[in-house]
Amino acid sequence: DQQVKQNSPSLSVQEGRISILNCDYTNSMFDYFLWYKKYPAEGPTFLISISSIKDKNEDGRFTVFLNKSAKHLSLHIVPSQPGDSAVYFCAASLYNNNDMRFGAGTRLTVKP
Amino acid sequence: DTGVSQDPRHKITKRGQNVTFRCDPISEHNRLYWYRQTLGQGPEFLTYFQNEAQLEKSRLLSDRFSAERPKGSFSTLEIQRTEQGDSAMYLCASSSGRARHNEQFFGPGTRLTVL
Repeated sequence: DQQVKQNSPSLSVQEGRISILNCDYTNSMFDYFLWYKKYPAEGPTFLISISSIKDKNEDGRFTVFLNKSAKHLSLHIVPSQPGDSAVYFCAASLYNNNDMRFGAGTRLTVKP
Repeated sequence: DTGVSQDPRHKITKRGQNVTFRCDPISEHNRLYWYRQTLGQGPEFLTYFQNEAQLEKSRLLSDRFSAERPKGSFSTLEIQRTEQGDSAMYLCASSSGRARHNEQFFGPGTRLTVL
């Protein structure tokens, strides 16, 4: 059962514009959400996270928004840069995060 | 480099052979995870160690799969009698366990191809 879904396999944006990556989840018990970025031939690297008690977390150009009622989160990248081109995975975990569930990923391409 | 390392990076084997992968976590991390990632999917949790104890196993981890972390440092994942469906990227991650939620640091993965 796929409890975390990223319905857009790819996204292309122009450099300097906003990139918005979306993620939906089905398990209302998830209490922590993370975004990972993956470059080819590398493992995923942690980008930003948010606890379920918050609805927004910001780190530089990256902001994650959480809408618990809609079971939806999004990652905003402003402004987008060509170096942001990568696959972005949304992940969710329960208390103690030993079994983290990942979405299928969205490939972001930022065009110069 | 003090990141998570995995060896080998690539492994090609024939169906029915056994393979073993190694993961060296970040040295101060006491939690270690194994994931499997197939094409077009995100990583899927396989198993979790806290120090040398294997505390959780996914139902994805069939009895042909075994993982160990004998001294609480490096870990090995062995697949016996490999099948073509085992072809995937096997990712290892580690975390410190100091807080309730810890971001996991991933290694580069071992890509397994079963012919």
